[in-house]
Amino acid sequence: QVQLQESGPGLVKPSQTLSLTCSVSGGSISSDNYYWSWIRQPAGKNLEWIGRVYPSGTADYNPSLKSRVTISVDTSNNQFSLKLSSVTAADTAAYYCAREEGYCSRGSCYYYGMDVWGQGTTVTVSS
Amino acid sequence: DIQMTQSPSSLSASVGDTVTLTCRASQSISSYLNWYQLKPGKAPKLLIYLASSLQSGVPSRFSGGGSGTEFTLTIRSLQPDDFAVYYCQQSYRTPPTFGQGTRVEIK
Repeated sequence: QVQLQESGPGLVKPSQTLSLTCSVSGGSISSDNYYWSWIRQPAGKNLEWIGRVYPSGTADYNPSLKSRVTISVDTSNNQFSLKLSSVTAADTAAYYCAREEGYCSRGSCYYYGMDVWGQGTTVTVSS
Repeated sequence: DIQMTQSPSSLSASVGDTVTLTCRASQSISSYLNWYQLKPGKAPKLLIYLASSLQSGVPSRFSGGGSGTEFTLTIRSLQPDDFAVYYCQQSYRTPPTFGQGTRVEIK
């Protein structure tokens, strides 16, 4: 079955760029009706959706983070990536990647839930 | 953004009990409501999608209901493995948003 695995530095300095990669195994990142998301959860706080990327490379972002986030897909390596710039201590969190099932038709997309998740990776922003 | 509110924030129950968790949306989300189980150090797990559809591989003691703005997750005959934090999430509008979670603890 499909499995996801996050990778990247566990420590990032303030003002730098946080970069994480999610490797997809057991299935193709280009599969129809699946989209690829990043979610984070600061310790003791709620889950926050960061954004998603479609196999085409198009991405949606949370407006609260949009100015600092880039999510991209690498179909040749079956992985997708997150870049979050100008980080502060408030960006310290567990970061998860997830697969979201849905479908897009005539310009509208409908989403059914995130059915596969990585185990998460903790990123600390500190000098 | 659509706000999701869960109640209670925590509850204590015994193995074998039946518990019901509630999730309310700040506007109608039709049936675009999903439930997840989170445990420390483990990948979050989708339990219910589209309000009442049981995700493949999830035990039938989990069930979901509701539409519009009010939704429930019921766990019948609680098992030791069910003690965790449960989150609802709306997938009606982007950005998807989560409730603040309900912690189910052992009494």
